[in-house]
Amino acid sequence: NAGVTQTPKFQVLKTGQSMTLQCAQDMNHNSMYWYRQDPGMGLRLIYYSASEGTTDKGEVPNGYNVSRLNKREFSLRLESAAPSQTSVYFCASRWGQETQYFGPGTRLLVL
Amino acid sequence: AQSVTQPDIHITVSEGASLELRCNYSYGATPYLFWYVQSPGQGLQLLLKYFSGDTLVQGIKGFEAEFKRSQSSFNLRKPSVHWSDAAEYFCAALNSGYSTLTFGKGTMLLVSP
Repeated sequence: NAGVTQTPKFQVLKTGQSMTLQCAQDMNHNSMYWYRQDPGMGLRLIYYSASEGTTDKGEVPNGYNVSRLNKREFSLRLESAAPSQTSVYFCASRWGQETQYFGPGTRLLVL
Repeated sequence: AQSVTQPDIHITVSEGASLELRCNYSYGATPYLFWYVQSPGQGLQLLLKYFSGDTLVQGIKGFEAEFKRSQSSFNLRKPSVHWSDAAEYFCAALNSGYSTLTFGKGTMLLVSP
């Protein structure tokens, strides 16, 4: 039981490049989330998926797209990376009102 | 709008001393409340949660938190801090629709010898 896994762990991009961050959970959770973490800002919600087939914007969705591929997988795509998207990205999953579990994070640097 | 506030950005505590980290929330109804801990370079780990019932909840690693409705607070406490407790601590609340968590900006705990 791996919990929430994220790939890659680290990534360096040049401005304008695209990439997809992958997230998978093996806990049969309905809801999945993408956050970004920046110093002094806490965790800010980018997008979430309350169930398979649905996605909704969070607090900071601009510049990102998501895909809920199936119940297990929820990917985050940066179509044209900008330096302002340098951050640590966390995926999380939850069932109902229960505990939300987090992945180990992806550290992204955009030059 | 619903919000979670952690008034202290940094706190320094001597090893062996007691600890209290503050958290205030603004929600209409009783929220579901959580405390998470993040060690450097790691993801977030749940310390404890409050849903209903007894307002004093026990968590892992010797932490506890008390829900006080009258003060809209959910402060985290530990009677004796260890050097390994140095980390960043986040308070969070589940929104009224139970769809998303709102996080405070975090409190960095430093432990001095």
